[in-house]
Amino acid sequence: AQSVTQPDIHITVSEGASLELRCNYSYGATPYLFWYVQSPGQGLQLLLKYFSGDTLVQGIKGFEAEFKRSQSSFNLRKPSVHWSDAAEYFCAVGATGYSTLTFGKGTMLLVSP
Amino acid sequence: NAGVTQTPKFQVLKTGQSMTLQCAQDMNHNSMYWYRQDPGMGLRLIYYSASEGTTDKGEVPNGYNVSRLNKREFSLRLESAAPSQTSVYFCASTDRTYEQYFGPGTRLTVT
Repeated sequence: AQSVTQPDIHITVSEGASLELRCNYSYGATPYLFWYVQSPGQGLQLLLKYFSGDTLVQGIKGFEAEFKRSQSSFNLRKPSVHWSDAAEYFCAVGATGYSTLTFGKGTMLLVSP
Repeated sequence: NAGVTQTPKFQVLKTGQSMTLQCAQDMNHNSMYWYRQDPGMGLRLIYYSASEGTTDKGEVPNGYNVSRLNKREFSLRLESAAPSQTSVYFCASTDRTYEQYFGPGTRLTVT
């Protein structure tokens, strides 16, 4: 069965520091990978996605993620965090032939001054 | 384009009451989804419709029914609401790229 694990429920980062959010997946097929962000009281917004090709993908708001097939990981990174990045982040996985995405349980990012 | 719209934004029900959550998309997407979001549980799929005329159960379908009214609209019905259905409900849609577009959500409280 497909699964997505986000090991960190909460992460606190100082403003201006770098960020890495972890995502590991278990999928039988070649995966399509997504990161979404959810601000309080809002819906989910796509940050970036990986389908194929270059394993380092750039997204909105200065985020990037790297697909590592050997580690079944798709970690999200940002070099310098801003207070407005405080939100919940979800990793999601899909594949050709599957009509649905599997979501991780989310990581809540807190940004300290 | 409005994207994915959901009504209502907020709703309070008493146990046993029924209601329908409405969802519409204007992106000509084939597939539509209903999720519920609870603290610490992430997003859980309730039902989905891969194309007009089809619906399938997701991870947590019990207590819910859906109708794919046409290509644009996908509704979720609670026939007899229970406190365990207190949640935030999201509708989403997608085209062949698999990227899902989400609505703003409906916050439902069942007392």
